[in-house]
Amino acid sequence: SQKIEQNSEALNIQEGKTATLTCNYTNYSPAYLQWYRQDPGRGPVFLLLIRENEKEKRKERLKVTFDTTLKQSLFHITASQPADSATYLCALDPGSLTYKYIFGTGTRLKVLA
Amino acid sequence: KAGVTQTPRYLIKTRGQQVTLSCSPISGHRSVSWYQQTPGQGLQFLFEYFSETQRNKGNFPGRFSGRQFSNSRSEMNVSTLELGDSALYLCASSLTQTDGVKNIQYFGAGTRLSVL
Repeated sequence: SQKIEQNSEALNIQEGKTATLTCNYTNYSPAYLQWYRQDPGRGPVFLLLIRENEKEKRKERLKVTFDTTLKQSLFHITASQPADSATYLCALDPGSLTYKYIFGTGTRLKVLA
Repeated sequence: KAGVTQTPRYLIKTRGQQVTLSCSPISGHRSVSWYQQTPGQGLQFLFEYFSETQRNKGNFPGRFSGRQFSNSRSEMNVSTLELGDSALYLCASSLTQTDGVKNIQYFGAGTRLSVL
C-alpha cells in the first residue's frame, strides 16, 4: 500500500544542536516533496519544496535532502532554538495532475533550552 | 494580503446533525483543498476545487461534500455526523497549477469540530 512515514512521533534535542527529521515513503514516485511546520492551534505553514532532480535545498538554518532511490527525505534544522519547537510535516504529490498532496503524520520536535 | 480565513473556528454538534464549514482563500487563489486532521490519522485529503469544479476527492464517505463559488470561496458539508468526525478541518488555497508544478498550499487556522 502507499504510505508516508515520519521517523518518530516526537523528538527532543538540546538547543544549539542539529535536528534531523526523516520522511520515508513507499509505492510513490513523487515529482516534489514539501515540508511544513505546524504550531498548536494553527494550520501548517510551508517551509521548503524540493524537486526529484534536486539532491538538496537550503533556506537559512533549514536543509532538505531528497533521495528518490532510498525513497527518503531528510529535514535538518541547524543551531536549533526553542522557537523551532513545533510539529513538522512532510508532504508529497502522488503524481502530476492529481491536484492533491499526501501528508505524513508529522514529527513533534521539542528544543530544550 | 489577507490569509486563508476559515469560519467558524470552533463548533460543537451532536450525532446525526449536519454541519457546514466555510473557507475564504487568499485573493487570487483559485484552488481550494480541504483536509481532515486527527491525532491518529494525521492530515487526510478530502477534496480539491478549482473554478467551481471538484478535481479530486479523497477516500471519505459521501456524507462529506463540498462546493466552490465563483469568487473561489468554498464550503464543505458533513451530513449525519458521527463521533469519529470530530477533528480539525483545514482548508488550503494555492495559485493555479502551471507547467505541472505543484504550488505551495497556504492553510487556514482550521475549524475544530466536536461531535457529542
